[in-house]
Amino acid sequence: QQKVQQSPESLIVPEGGMASLNCTFSDRNSQYFWWYRQHSGEGPKALMSIFSNGDKKEGRFTAHLNKASLYVSLHIKDSQPSDSALYFCAVSMGTGGYKVVFGSGTRLLVSP
Amino acid sequence: AQTIHQWPVAEIKAVGSPLSLGCTIKGKSSPNLYWYWQATGGTLQQLFYSITVGQVESVVQLNLSASRPKDDQFILSTEKLLLSHSGFYLCASRTDTEVFFGKGTRLTVV
Repeated sequence: QQKVQQSPESLIVPEGGMASLNCTFSDRNSQYFWWYRQHSGEGPKALMSIFSNGDKKEGRFTAHLNKASLYVSLHIKDSQPSDSALYFCAVSMGTGGYKVVFGSGTRLLVSP
Repeated sequence: AQTIHQWPVAEIKAVGSPLSLGCTIKGKSSPNLYWYWQATGGTLQQLFYSITVGQVESVVQLNLSASRPKDDQFILSTEKLLLSHSGFYLCASRTDTEVFFGKGTRLTVV
């Protein structure tokens, strides 16, 4: 069964701190990886995509991908209260990569 | 820019009644389209995807069906709703770099 697991389930960080979110996946043939953020009552919005091994930085957000270890992570530097939301990693799987499997989510709370 | 319009915004329906949710995509031709379902606070479960008009692939069976009658339209339906169908339904369009979501339909089955 194709799986995407996230940890931790929830995370509290102080304002200005670093938040680290982790994601493991089961399909070694996966090629596309995304991080999404969802605020309550809204649809998810894409934060970052990463397709190659290594780090990708966009502003305060850094994604890391290690395909051999089946691992992708997201680090949020200088966390703000507005970063409080539900975060998902998403991984393309299956023939053609048309299946996009979302992880179980990490609820981030940034305390002022 | 790509936009996704979903309708209705919210529905309250009785168990056993039929359902039809719709989605229209503008700003992208021949999009890959998806339906997702999300329980409150839960993860997003992919239900269907469609690469082209008239072709729909099922990812998980939830007593729902989907159709793609036009290039820019994706419909989710069932003839008989169950309590377990309650949740947030999201239509999405896939590009190479992103899965782009609509604002969703909140369904409550009573």
